[in-house]
Amino acid sequence: SQQGEEDPQALSIQEGENATMNCSYKTSINNLQWYRQNSGRGLVHLILIRSNEREKHSGRLRVTLDTSKKSSSLLITASRAADTASYFCATDSGGYNKLIFGAGTRLAVHP
Amino acid sequence: ETGVTQSPTHLIKTRGQQVTLRCSSQSGHNTVSWYQQALGQGPQFIFQYYREEENGRGNFPPRFSGLQFPNYSSELNVNALELDDSALYLCASSLPGAYEAFFGQGTRLTVV
Repeated sequence: SQQGEEDPQALSIQEGENATMNCSYKTSINNLQWYRQNSGRGLVHLILIRSNEREKHSGRLRVTLDTSKKSSSLLITASRAADTASYFCATDSGGYNKLIFGAGTRLAVHP
Repeated sequence: ETGVTQSPTHLIKTRGQQVTLRCSSQSGHNTVSWYQQALGQGPQFIFQYYREEENGRGNFPPRFSGLQFPNYSSELNVNALELDDSALYLCASSLPGAYEAFFGQGTRLTVV
């Protein structure tokens, strides 16, 4: 079963705009990860935020975590057409590499 | 490239048949997990292998089985294929005690 829900399910923006995706989860976690998937192929790890962290940055990515609300957000700043992909949050509730994924947000960035 | 390779990339099978999917993990990664991703959904955890032993299973029936070899490569076997088994099957390897998973490109299985 899916752990959480991503919101929105789909997002369409212009290049240069910021994209924000939200994720909610159900059970307690040690950490939360975000992954990216291009065209139904393999997933690529983007960033991991631990349960005792509130915010983390990596390049144009900013992730926040609110454990009291069981939610996280991923912000991609100054988006590019190459950012077009599906983005998934995943929690570790099952243990190491036993990830529980949400249904994902499909991001389309138009030139 | 994550260093995790899966074969084959695409496969078409008939309902009732059996299939074996293969995964070569990244060097030094002794933990391999398999995930099933239906169209438009997020991946779902099938099972994990650690040091050649099954180390946890998701909500999948026994006709989904696996193996891990001494070199940490792995196989996913599915017996008595059903139409609903059509999906992208992903293999992910990880370092001992690490949360980050490295995914292969997946095998697209179509059951007709």
